[in-house]
Amino acid sequence: SQQGEEDPQALSIQEGENATMNCSYKTSINNLQWYRQNSGRGLVHLILIRSNEREKHSGRLRVTLDTSKKSSSLLITASRAADTASYFCATDENSGYALNFGKGTSLLVTP
Amino acid sequence: SAVISQKPSRDICQRGTSLTIQCQVDSQVTMMFWYRQQPGQSLTLIATANQGSEATYESGFVIDKFPISRPNLTFSTLTVSNMSPEDSSIYLCSVAGLLAGGPGQETQYFGPGTRLLVL
Repeated sequence: SQQGEEDPQALSIQEGENATMNCSYKTSINNLQWYRQNSGRGLVHLILIRSNEREKHSGRLRVTLDTSKKSSSLLITASRAADTASYFCATDENSGYALNFGKGTSLLVTP
Repeated sequence: SAVISQKPSRDICQRGTSLTIQCQVDSQVTMMFWYRQQPGQSLTLIATANQGSEATYESGFVIDKFPISRPNLTFSTLTVSNMSPEDSSIYLCSVAGLLAGGPGQETQYFGPGTRLLVL
């Protein structure tokens, strides 16, 4: 069953601006992962944050995790047209590696 | 990380037929999964492919419709049986737990997907 819920569902920004996407989930987790998908192709893993971590960085990406609120955010700084894609958060369920995906945020970055 | 390939990349099939999708990983992994992504939707887990034993299916998915094989630590197949137009989706294979070790064993890597259209 789907657990994560991203918002907004769609986001349109201009190049150079920052994009923030949020994800909420319902049950306890071991970790939360963010993925990018371009035009219905395979998913690219962006970042994994563990339940005992609060913030993680990778290049222009910054992910936060608040387990008390069961929420996470993905910030893409200085966005580029190539960042245009759908972004999904995914959580495990303490019972294994299988992931529950949110509905995703569709990001459009215009030049 | 792991490099995953899927065959076929896409197919158009007639209703009532079956299609077998292959997933090949370039290194040994403990976990392999199959997901479905219906048009405009998110991913839904179909099953966990277990080596040497029957796959573990999620609610709403059954072995007769989606038989899965996993003969070794680098290969798995998913068959979509007796297809109907409602089976038109992208089917994705993913892996986790690289036996070569390294950090991020929980990280799940995805194949490029198989785009299926059933007429």
